[in-house]
Amino acid sequence: EIVLSQSPGTLSLSPGERATLSCRASQSIDSTFLAWYQQRPGQRPRLLIYGASSRATGIPDRFSGSGSGTDFTLTISRLEPEDFAVYYCQQHLDPFYTFGQGTKLETK
Amino acid sequence: QVQLQESGPGLVTPSETLSLTCTVSGGSINIFYWSWIRQPPGKGLEWIGYIYYTGSTDYNPSLKSRVTMSVDTSKNQFSLRLNSVTPADTAVYYCARLGRIAGRYYFDYWGQGTLVTVSS
Repeated sequence: EIVLSQSPGTLSLSPGERATLSCRASQSIDSTFLAWYQQRPGQRPRLLIYGASSRATGIPDRFSGSGSGTDFTLTISRLEPEDFAVYYCQQHLDPFYTFGQGTKLETK
Repeated sequence: QVQLQESGPGLVTPSETLSLTCTVSGGSINIFYWSWIRQPPGKGLEWIGYIYYTGSTDYNPSLKSRVTMSVDTSKNQFSLRLNSVTPADTAVYYCARLGRIAGRYYFDYWGQGTLVTVSS
């Protein structure tokens, strides 16, 4: 089983700042199977990034993803108030799906 | 716009069976994979399994012995049964669609989630 470890557990930043979230896999994965989701408080998760670097429909361009192998990054270039949420990375090693434990992005 | 809605009891007695149904509207259940994902209070997401519209399934190995999924294409619904529940199964249960994007599958539509509490 591939384990995804996200860091930091909590990130405290202010609106307008840049956020960098990390996701590390326990073994190398095909980047086309790596996704990021956002979960705002009390809401369902939402697909942000698929294939490690492609934005899902309707996702603002301040969100970007990168990485390969075992190390992946979600970057939010300039934080908006609605971006403070929990972010999960997720991978698919057929036929199973696993999520990271999440990074909480909170207002400083 | 595809919408998913979970339904089922919010309280289940320990050792009994948890049963949930997800109703899909705004699109057909056919030709897609459908999944269940859960989230214990204050914790992260755990994939439970998926079912194809034909009825084929795959489950999380950690839950496989207790999980059964089924699909009813005539009603545009799919269902989850988790038996022998314990308080550790208390969670918000989400149903979600596995949409095919760029040749891979991702959870692109989610239900709002339903809290199931296991308690006597």
